Amino acid sequence: DAEITQSPRHKITETGRQVTLACHQTWNHNNMFWYRQDLGHGLRLIHYSYGVHDTNKGEVSDGYSVSRSNTEDLPLTLESAASSQTSVYFCASSRGTDSGNTIYFGEGSWLTVV
Amino acid sequence: KNEVEQSPQNLTAQEGEFITINCSYSVGISALHWLQQHPGGGIVSLFMLSSGKKKHGRLIATINIQEKHSSLHITASHPRDSAVYICAARRGSQGNLIFGKGTKLSVKP
Repeated sequence: DAEITQSPRHKITETGRQVTLACHQTWNHNNMFWYRQDLGHGLRLIHYSYGVHDTNKGEVSDGYSVSRSNTEDLPLTLESAASSQTSVYFCASSRGTDSGNTIYFGEGSWLTVV
Repeated sequence: KNEVEQSPQNLTAQEGEFITINCSYSVGISALHWLQQHPGGGIVSLFMLSSGKKKHGRLIATINIQEKHSSLHITASHPRDSAVYICAARRGSQGNLIFGKGTKLSVKP
């Protein structure tokens, strides 16, 4: 079965370190997204990609970067982790930009920055 | 004001009760999604609709485009329905999703 997986599922890191969260999907979807989820907020879009070599900033992109070198993967990098980036991170994918496409989420990555 | 508002924020029900969760949005949309997030954290898409009504098992989702309002109904609720329910609106034909803050549902046996 096709799926979308995230790793690591849980990570504790120190302020200032670079951290990369991996996202891998086997749906062959063009669209991939990274969200963060915090108490008191809905899911907020960090970065997204509509295809290989395409990346775009979302509403909370400061301090994060992504790259899309193939269809399956969209790794999220925190260049210099800050305590404000302690959050749960979700990767998601969908087939295309058509409004009729279902979106699929990974299981989430819990990141704590100390 | 958030572009997507859900109500109530929290909801406690007894097993067997009929449950309604509401979602209002202030932007033009091409589709609205209802998602379910269980305590373990995973998020699953329940419905995606752009008009009318959809039904899956005990779950029913409706949308009124003119009133910019959608509802998620659960009939004969069960403790396993306990989860956070999130609505998300797709702005325009190719816009990204805008999420509500979620409704936390707890169904007591």
